[in-house]
Amino acid sequence: DTGVSQNPRHKITKRGQNVTFRCDPISEHNRLYWYRQTLGQGPEFLTYFQNEAQLEKSRLLSDRFSAERPKGSFSTLEIQRTEQGDSAMYLCASSPQRDEQYFGPGTRLTVT
Amino acid sequence: GEDVEQSLFLSVREGDSSVINCTYTDSSSTYLYWYKQEPGAGLQLLTYIFSNMDMKQDQRLTVLLNKKDKHLSLRIADTQTGDSAIYFCALSGGSYIPTFGRGTSLIVHP
Repeated sequence: DTGVSQNPRHKITKRGQNVTFRCDPISEHNRLYWYRQTLGQGPEFLTYFQNEAQLEKSRLLSDRFSAERPKGSFSTLEIQRTEQGDSAMYLCASSPQRDEQYFGPGTRLTVT
Repeated sequence: GEDVEQSLFLSVREGDSSVINCTYTDSSSTYLYWYKQEPGAGLQLLTYIFSNMDMKQDQRLTVLLNKKDKHLSLRIADTQTGDSAIYFCALSGGSYIPTFGRGTSLIVHP
């Protein structure tokens, strides 16, 4: 098992553009989480899937953000009409039935 | 919601023990975790403890939980320069959604 992978690792985009990130969890982990982390802060929860069902979304997740996990395996996080305040590290984590989460390396987004 | 507080910095000499502290407000937390984050990387799960435990030891790591004071600590014995990183305390309950502290930056100097 190679762990959680995320692509791309870095993304630079201009304000107003749409971006999409991908997360491939550890196989057979049925839970998948997205977090946002800014400098000097811990990860902030964005949304969570159990298999293909999106079970919870944070109030941080504005309507410009959408996440999918269509077959219960990989997930995508799309940000539409990016703003400079969206610049952050976007982390994905997966989890088995127990509670511990295994994080990917993250996608660093810079909005210019 | 849950508040998780950590001191921001800790500096220790190589070979000494490091103790990183965390306080929290929600006594219903079931799982309490310690994660390590190196520069530019994701978080690595170091260890976790269930709320019905007081202590857990795993090689150089010792986790202590004081439920009465809502205090969690991570002790790293014989701290090495490779232990320099940011350490996050996190807690979760029935919702399976952990709340993270802001992280403690551990600096190990020779």
